[in-house]
Amino acid sequence: KAGVTQTPRYLIKTRGQQVTLSCSPISGHRSVSWYQQTPGQGLQFLFEYFSETQRNKGNFPGRFSGRQFSNSRSEMNVSTLELGDSALYLCASSLAWGGRSYTDTQYFGPGTRLTVL
Amino acid sequence: GEDVEQSLFLSVREGDSSVINCTYTDSSSTYLYWYKQEPGAGLQLLTYIFSNMDMKQDQRLTVLLNKKDKHLSLRIADTQTGDSAIYFCAETSRGSGTYKYIFGTGTRLKVLA
Repeated sequence: KAGVTQTPRYLIKTRGQQVTLSCSPISGHRSVSWYQQTPGQGLQFLFEYFSETQRNKGNFPGRFSGRQFSNSRSEMNVSTLELGDSALYLCASSLAWGGRSYTDTQYFGPGTRLTVL
Repeated sequence: GEDVEQSLFLSVREGDSSVINCTYTDSSSTYLYWYKQEPGAGLQLLTYIFSNMDMKQDQRLTVLLNKKDKHLSLRIADTQTGDSAIYFCAETSRGSGTYKYIFGTGTRLKVLA
């Protein structure tokens, strides 16, 4: 079974631009979560989607948004990029959502490395 | 607070055992996880333990859980240079009517040949 895939793997943008990252979950997984990883802040939770609905959101500004499609694929968008948005953006998928079962175990993709100049 | 704490660095010699420690916060966490991240890569799930277990062994990996102290540890037996990576523990925390993963800061394991 194919793992979580993320596209693109690397991206260079300039301040003020916007960017869209894509995540395809493991086949059959319905939950997708997004994380931002930086050397200074570690792994920070962005948001999670299950069945096309945002179930949870981290403490990020409104410039960060996401959505999930009916095939469970997800995109995240960052508008008006800032230098501090440079990071590795990780997507994780799980069968289910709720924290009560091993089916909520998250499997990660390789990440998208975003550099903002 | 929601801090999951780990020591930042650990250095061991090849062939020795490594023990990576983690202190979590939410006593209601159902599952606790260990992930491994190699340079430039995403997180790889190593193992997880259900909260009603004290120990779980999986080949060279042993997870110990002390719920009273909210302490989780990962022991790697016969550590190899390929084990050099950053190791993250994670808890699933429920609060404010929802749930999410909370990751520790990560422990960078360096294996010396």
